[in-house]
Amino acid sequence: GDSVTQMEGPVTLSEEAFLTINCTYTATGYPSLFWYVQYPGEGLQLLLKATKADDKGSNKGFEATYRKETTSFHLEKGSVQVSDSAVYFCALSDRERGYQKVTFGTGTKLQVIP
Amino acid sequence: NAGVTQTPKFQVLKTGQSMTLQCAQDMNHNSMYWYRQDPGMGLRLIYYSASEGTTDKGEVPNGYNVSRLNKREFSLRLESAAPSQTSVYFCASSEAWDRGGNQPQHFGDGTRLSIL
Repeated sequence: GDSVTQMEGPVTLSEEAFLTINCTYTATGYPSLFWYVQYPGEGLQLLLKATKADDKGSNKGFEATYRKETTSFHLEKGSVQVSDSAVYFCALSDRERGYQKVTFGTGTKLQVIP
Repeated sequence: NAGVTQTPKFQVLKTGQSMTLQCAQDMNHNSMYWYRQDPGMGLRLIYYSASEGTTDKGEVPNGYNVSRLNKREFSLRLESAAPSQTSVYFCASSEAWDRGGNQPQHFGDGTRLSIL
């Protein structure tokens, strides 16, 4: 079945540092890939998405490229801020039995210190 | 601009008690979902409703029931709560698959449920 593996956290960075959170996946079909962000006490919010190979999703300075050859969708940001502190989830979505099945990674907690 | 609204936000139950978690969305989405979030396990699908009038089991349905009351509302019921059901529960909604393929899911803020 489908699965998503992302790096364990917590990841602690100083403000303005470069961020990479690794995500790899296994899927039988041609899934879409997503990054969601969860702030304390809130639900998940879509950060960015990519629907086919070589697509690059981007939002709020974050980027991720759908790499089919390496089955990866790594999240990057050039300069993190304290406000980026949150839990980040990598996810893939595919159709199964007529519904949108989403498989989530276990989440990576990011702490950015001033 | 409410999106997905869940009630209650917090609840403490005793083992064996029952309760219903409520979820409503105002985005006219066809599909709705219930997940539970546990430390180190990501989100796991409990039940989903691909469209109004249909519901199906997800990955971890045991101990739960659902009702798709209308297009807006999708409730989750615990008939006899157990400590293993202590978790954070999230409701989500999305466009139907046939409206452009893989659409993102929109989440509520969650219900934090403790069962003693």
